[in-house]
Amino acid sequence: GAVVSQHPSRVICKSGTSVKIECRSLDFQATTMFWYRQFPKQSLMLMATSNEGSKATYEQGVEKDKFLINHASLTLSTLTVTSAHPEDSSFYICSARDLAGGMQFFGPGTRLTVL
Amino acid sequence: KNEVEQSPQNLTAQEGEFITINCSYSVGISALHWLQQHPGGGIVSLFMLSSGKKKHGRLIATINIQEKHSSLHITASHPRDSAVYICAVRSLTGTASKLTFGTGTRLQVTL
Repeated sequence: GAVVSQHPSRVICKSGTSVKIECRSLDFQATTMFWYRQFPKQSLMLMATSNEGSKATYEQGVEKDKFLINHASLTLSTLTVTSAHPEDSSFYICSARDLAGGMQFFGPGTRLTVL
Repeated sequence: KNEVEQSPQNLTAQEGEFITINCSYSVGISALHWLQQHPGGGIVSLFMLSSGKKKHGRLIATINIQEKHSSLHITASHPRDSAVYICAVRSLTGTASKLTFGTGTRLQVTL
């Protein structure tokens, strides 16, 4: 079946540093990728939707200058958390929708801890 | 009221039991997804439905568009089925790309 990978799976960083998370669709092309964040025992919260070659659309309350999204190709999107702070600690999940059937596949997630 | 409601919120079953998780939604949809999230966090897409019924192994998903209701059934449940099951819908109106998620059903299958 279709696979979405994320890297890294886990990252611990100091407050003030920037962290980049990569999301790749491994065996299909994805025009649209989604970035979510999830707090413990809560549902996924959509942060932004990115389409290949165009600017991402951010959800209300999500700072676009803090969470930089680049969707450079049909198989790769990156999320950069700039100047991370402890409140940014969370589980970040990307998802990719395939061109053909509209099925949406999810990555394994990246657990970010900001000290 | 949430657009997507799931029941039950928590479910404990013994190995071998037949399990049903329900999802009701209040908007017109183009598709409904059932997802599985294991304790490690990774999410697996189980089904995408727009009508009828789908089966994959011991899992069966049904949807009734008129009643705005879907069910996920697990036959012969096993401890490895323990996970959070999430229903998500893609609405017909608004931003068509977005999924709206239910709060999930936490399933624990014991020996």
